[in-house]
Amino acid sequence: EAGVTQSPTHLIKTRGQQATLRCSPISGHTSVYWYQQALGLGLQFLLWYDEGEERNRGNFPPRFSGRQFPNYSSELNVNALELEDSALYLCASSFYIGDLNQPQHFGDGTRLSIL
Amino acid sequence: AQTVTQSQPEMSVQEAETVTLSCTYDTSESDYYLFWYKQPPSRQMILVIRQEAYKQQNATENRFSVNFQKAAKSFSLKISDSQLGDAAMYFCAYRLIQGAQKLVFGQGTRLTINP
Repeated sequence: EAGVTQSPTHLIKTRGQQATLRCSPISGHTSVYWYQQALGLGLQFLLWYDEGEERNRGNFPPRFSGRQFPNYSSELNVNALELEDSALYLCASSFYIGDLNQPQHFGDGTRLSIL
Repeated sequence: AQTVTQSQPEMSVQEAETVTLSCTYDTSESDYYLFWYKQPPSRQMILVIRQEAYKQQNATENRFSVNFQKAAKSFSLKISDSQLGDAAMYFCAYRLIQGAQKLVFGQGTRLTINP
């Protein structure tokens, strides 16, 4: 069974540009989560999508946005890139069945570097 | 707001010995899940073990076990017979059962295994 796949592995941008990160969940998973792992800040929750809808959003500015497609894959878009956006962006997926404990499985991440 | 604290930024242990990683959390909720994830240099987050807060019995997965003290809001991870492949960053995480499915992570503990 294929795991969560993310692309690209590494992305280099300059300040003010826009970045698009992609995530394909494990087959059968309907929920996708995005986390930012910045140096010194730990792992911070960004977004949660389930069945094509945004369900929850972390404390990030609106220039962080995303979407989930009918095949449950997801994109994270970051507009007007700033130096502090440099981080590892991790995508995770899971089943979402109400209150049943469905653990999140992570991809290898996309390293976003802002020059 | 829920918070997770890992008070040990770094730990080291001799191969084949036992090591315990500490984690405390703060929440006003009574129903939640707790997790330990490991992140080796390959950077993929791997689920090590999980615990449902409503279960009194401590979870065990092969060489990994937890000591869950709900009243003290403590969730430590014990690794027995440490192996070189256990070297990684270990993150403690919390998640509500209902509502927002986001994981709240601690800052991590870097575990080094000495041969």
